[in-house]
Amino acid sequence: KQEVTQIPAALSVPEGENLVLNCSFTDSAIYNLQWFRQDPGKGLTSLLLIQSSQREQTSGRLNASLDKSSGRSTLYIAASQPGDSATYLCAIGGGGADGLTFGKGTHLIIQP
Amino acid sequence: DAGVIQSPRHEVTEMGQEVTLRCKPISGHNSLFWYRQTMMRGLELLIYFNNNVPIDDSGMPEDRFSAKMPNASFSTLKIQPSEPRDSAVYFCASSPRTGKNIQYFGAGTRLSVL
Repeated sequence: KQEVTQIPAALSVPEGENLVLNCSFTDSAIYNLQWFRQDPGKGLTSLLLIQSSQREQTSGRLNASLDKSSGRSTLYIAASQPGDSATYLCAIGGGGADGLTFGKGTHLIIQP
Repeated sequence: DAGVIQSPRHEVTEMGQEVTLRCKPISGHNSLFWYRQTMMRGLELLIYFNNNVPIDDSGMPEDRFSAKMPNASFSTLKIQPSEPRDSAVYFCASSPRTGKNIQYFGAGTRLSVL
């Protein structure tokens, strides 16, 4: 059974810093990996999707990498802003028509 | 597009009552997923449908939970009878193909069972 771990569970940094969120998974037979953002009391917003054949994806100040062999993914946020404060969730899509297996998230606070 | 629409947004009920949560997926999407989020367990997949057919319901916690998708534009998740430990946020998501593509989430239904 796939298990997804996110470290750290919480992170607080001053505005402007670059930061890295980590995600690890136990089964490398994945189809894709998604990073989501969740604001308090809200649903999930997909940030980046990396297919298993890809190594990274970029969107604006966000860059996500995937290393299937080591079972790791990172989400890099450049020049952090207070508006980036949210919980970031990593989710693994298995082979075929599976749902997603989620980590428990990293609660990020960007201090103005 | 209005996105995935869930109703109600909040539901408060008493133990033993029947609860029905509703979801309207994005038009044209043919995969639909129900998830539950709690502080202790995070987000967990309950069941998913492909072309209105339930594919995997192994995440449904007990027989008290049931889900249906009578057509491509509507799904329900029913809990009967409800218990306090069912209190959670329930999310519905849809995807344009099988789980290979991005999943789009609704805003969720926050359920409180007293």
